[in-house]
Amino acid sequence: GAGVSQSPSNKVTEKGKDVELRCDPISGHTALYWYRQSLGQGLEFLIYFQGNSAPDKSGLPSDRFSAERTGGSVSTLTIQRTQQEDSAVYLCASNSAGVRTGELFFGEGSRLTVL
Amino acid sequence: AQSVTQLDSHVSVSEGTPVLLRCNYSSSYSPSLFWYVQHPNKGLQLLLKYTSAATLVKGINGFEAEFKKSETSFHLTKPSAHMSDAAEYFCVVSSSGGYQKVTFGTGTKLQVIP
Repeated sequence: GAGVSQSPSNKVTEKGKDVELRCDPISGHTALYWYRQSLGQGLEFLIYFQGNSAPDKSGLPSDRFSAERTGGSVSTLTIQRTQQEDSAVYLCASNSAGVRTGELFFGEGSRLTVL
Repeated sequence: AQSVTQLDSHVSVSEGTPVLLRCNYSSSYSPSLFWYVQHPNKGLQLLLKYTSAATLVKGINGFEAEFKKSETSFHLTKPSAHMSDAAEYFCVVSSSGGYQKVTFGTGTKLQVIP
């Protein structure tokens, strides 16, 4: 597609349930990032993918959070046993490692509400 | 190591007056610097970027920023604020060494008063 696509755009779930958030980056972009933006907060880095591997997953807040990327394209962020503090907008971004400027192209985010 | 400090969490200006959003950075490598804008319930959009070319960078919607290495600053300015400029603005640093570690500032909310 023309831009980074994220789904679902909105997700309401009950505490304790698992959720999956999907990111479809710009075609050809090898680098993919997940960020979390809580109400009134800045962007919190979660994980970085280069191709299918994740050289930096230092931002994942707990072992309930995991992410994978397959085929060097689509990525899925999974949150197990969701808690109310997981409520946030989860943003995905991608860029091409061949252009080493760090400019990121963002999706519009997935808003997660945990009741 | 790298970091970004946005000195103001909120800035309020009157329509038609100048805008100044402050950003200071630190980086072990020659950095690339960016400003992104986020309108309510929208994704982030690149406003402008500095990548070691001209130190005065012009972006979209009349914004510009000047890279000052001696002051480690990259402040965002606009001569005359418009109501549509009301948004949150993020200063970002990216290292050119190793993988592209991208670090965001905590954001500055710009309010424009009619």
